[in-house]
Amino acid sequence: DGGITQSPKYLFRKEGQNVTLSCEQNLNHDAMYWYRQDPGQGLRLIYYSQIVNDFQKGDIAEGYSVSREKKESFPLTVTSAQKNPTAFYLCASNLGAGELFFGEGSRLTVL
Amino acid sequence: GNSVTQMEGPVTLSEEAFLTINCTYTATGYPSLFWYVQYPGEGLQLLLKATKADDKGSNKGFEATYRKETTSFHLEKGSVQVSDSAVYFCALSGLGNFNKFYFGSGTKLNVKP
Repeated sequence: DGGITQSPKYLFRKEGQNVTLSCEQNLNHDAMYWYRQDPGQGLRLIYYSQIVNDFQKGDIAEGYSVSREKKESFPLTVTSAQKNPTAFYLCASNLGAGELFFGEGSRLTVL
Repeated sequence: GNSVTQMEGPVTLSEEAFLTINCTYTATGYPSLFWYVQYPGEGLQLLLKATKADDKGSNKGFEATYRKETTSFHLEKGSVQVSDSAVYFCALSGLGNFNKFYFGSGTKLNVKP
């Protein structure tokens, strides 16, 4: 079945560490996105990529980095510069003007 | 600017009650409108969508009609079940040359047996 796979589902980080969240899709979608969700909040866009080797900052990109070396993959690195990284992270993709398809999410907790 | 406003939750209903979750939007142009559902600890799933004015999206007993004159896309279901307990997000997209999605803050629905 086609879909989006995020890993790990749960991740713990010590302060000062960088961590990378994986996102892989086999839907053949061109565009991929990373969102952050805090408790009781809506979704905020971190980064997006419309084609391979190109990506753009979203609304809250500070402290995060991404790469898009392959169409299927869009990993997100949460750097030590992100002051409040504890959150639920959602990866999504879509084709053209179509709806977003989401992964199951990764929950990051800073110890 | 573009934005989506949803009614604040939580909404608590008894099983078989009628559900309405209000959603209004502000947009320059003619967006597509969506409802997504999120179950605890999971990602969002598309529930229904409408791409032009007066379209009605429907799925699993849920319905929403794209009302351009009132800039609304209210979600309704005639008889809710305990399994409908989740967070519901209204969203719009399709404006400008980047397919950016604008999400509401979500409405938590609790359905009691």
